[in-house]
Amino acid sequence: EAQVTQNPRYLITVTGKKLTVTCSQNMNHEYMSWYRQDPGLGLRQIYYSMNVEVTDKGDVPEGYKVSRKEKRNFPLILESPSPNQTSLYFCASKYTDTQYFGPGTRLTVL
Amino acid sequence: EDKVVQSPLSLVVHEGDTVTLNCSYEVTNFRSLLWYKQEKKAPTFLFMLTSSGIEKKSGRLSSILDKKELFSILNITATQTGDSAVYLCAVEASFNNAGNNRKLIWGLGTSLAVNP
Repeated sequence: EAQVTQNPRYLITVTGKKLTVTCSQNMNHEYMSWYRQDPGLGLRQIYYSMNVEVTDKGDVPEGYKVSRKEKRNFPLILESPSPNQTSLYFCASKYTDTQYFGPGTRLTVL
Repeated sequence: EDKVVQSPLSLVVHEGDTVTLNCSYEVTNFRSLLWYKQEKKAPTFLFMLTSSGIEKKSGRLSSILDKKELFSILNITATQTGDSAVYLCAVEASFNNAGNNRKLIWGLGTSLAVNP
C-alpha cells in the first residue's frame, strides 16, 4: 500500500531534550516536506527536500533540522525543543502536484 | 505577499443541504489549486485544478477554478454527516523563473459540520 508513515504518533517531552520524528514514504517520490499545524495559523511548511541531499527552508524553519540521505526517509530533528514547538506535525511526499500526508505526530514540549 | 483566503471559516448545515466553500488567492506564478479534506487526522487529497472553467467532480463533490477572478469553489451536494471535516485549499506557486522551485500556500480552512 502506498503510504507515508511517521513515528512516533504522539510524543510528550521536556524542554531541551533532543528528539527526532521519522518520516518514510514507499512511493519513490522525490519531493518531501514537513509541516506544522497550529490553530488559527493553518499548515506552515518547515522544511522541504527536492531530492536526496537537497533540502531547503520553508516558512518556519527556526529550531528544526532535517536530513535527506536516502529518497524514502526525511527525518525532522529538534535539537533543543521548546514549548512553542508544541504542535501537530505532518510529513508529506509529492508526485507532480498531489501531496500525500503522513498520519501526523502530535508533539507536546513541557 | 502570497495569500490564500477561505470562507466561511465555519458553517453548520443539516444533512441533505448543499454547501459551497470558497477559496480566493493572490499568488504570483500560479501553478495549481488544490482542495483537501481533513478529518481528525491528516489531510486527504480531493481535487487539483489548473485550468479555468473546467469542473472536477467526484461523487457529490465538485470544484471549479476561475483564474481571472482568482478563486475556486468546492460544492458538496446532499451533505452527509461523514462530510463533517475541515476543508483546506492550497495554491502551488513557482518562486523562480525556471519554475522548478515551488511552494504551497495554504488557507486556514473551512470547518464544516453536518448535523443529522
